[in-house]
Amino acid sequence: AQKVTQTQTSISVMEKTTVTMDCVYETQDSSYFLFWYKQTASGEIVFLIRQDSYKKENATVGHYSLNFQKPKSSIGLIITATQIEDSAVYFCAMRANNAGAKLTFGGGTRLTVRP
Amino acid sequence: GGIITQTPKFLIGQEGQKLTLKCQQNFNHDTMYWYRQDSGKGLRLIYYSITENDLQKGDLSEGYDASREKKSSFSLTVTSAQKNEMAVFLCASSIGGGRYAEQFFGPGTRLTVL
Repeated sequence: AQKVTQTQTSISVMEKTTVTMDCVYETQDSSYFLFWYKQTASGEIVFLIRQDSYKKENATVGHYSLNFQKPKSSIGLIITATQIEDSAVYFCAMRANNAGAKLTFGGGTRLTVRP
Repeated sequence: GGIITQTPKFLIGQEGQKLTLKCQQNFNHDTMYWYRQDSGKGLRLIYYSITENDLQKGDLSEGYDASREKKSSFSLTVTSAQKNEMAVFLCASSIGGGRYAEQFFGPGTRLTVL
């Protein structure tokens, strides 16, 4: 069975700083895919970034990047130069190869960016 | 681009009632999903379908039925609404078998049981 844990329930940072959100996962599968999603205050959920387990390079998209530490089963989301509109709930998710199309989500981290 | 439409946006039912939620997508995606999100919590998978007429149970399927009669639509039925089922139900879709492709989400249906 797969499990995804986000221990930080909420984080508050000043605008234009860098923030890291933690995520650890559990799986017996050697091949898996890790995702981060953002849920805005309106409830909209959008995909941000993905890391494939077989890739050593950390994924980067815009001002989002990942800190993939495979031996620690950890996939942190880093947001650089945060903006007010980055305030949202961020979900980490995993899809293991043997789980087919099934995605397992963490509980989420609420990020507040202060001016 | 495409869009996922969920109807209704708000659904109010009585305890014990059978309630149906609908989802339509025009991405031409193969895989569709239903999730439940309780207030302040993460998403839990109820059902998913990798193709027309396919149904796969998620972690929270008890108390729910699903139907995928067309590639573009996926329905979820709450078989007997309970007071502790007040939540937002989210529909999502992804390309192919969904293993490595990101999911696109609909706006949700908010269920209230009186």
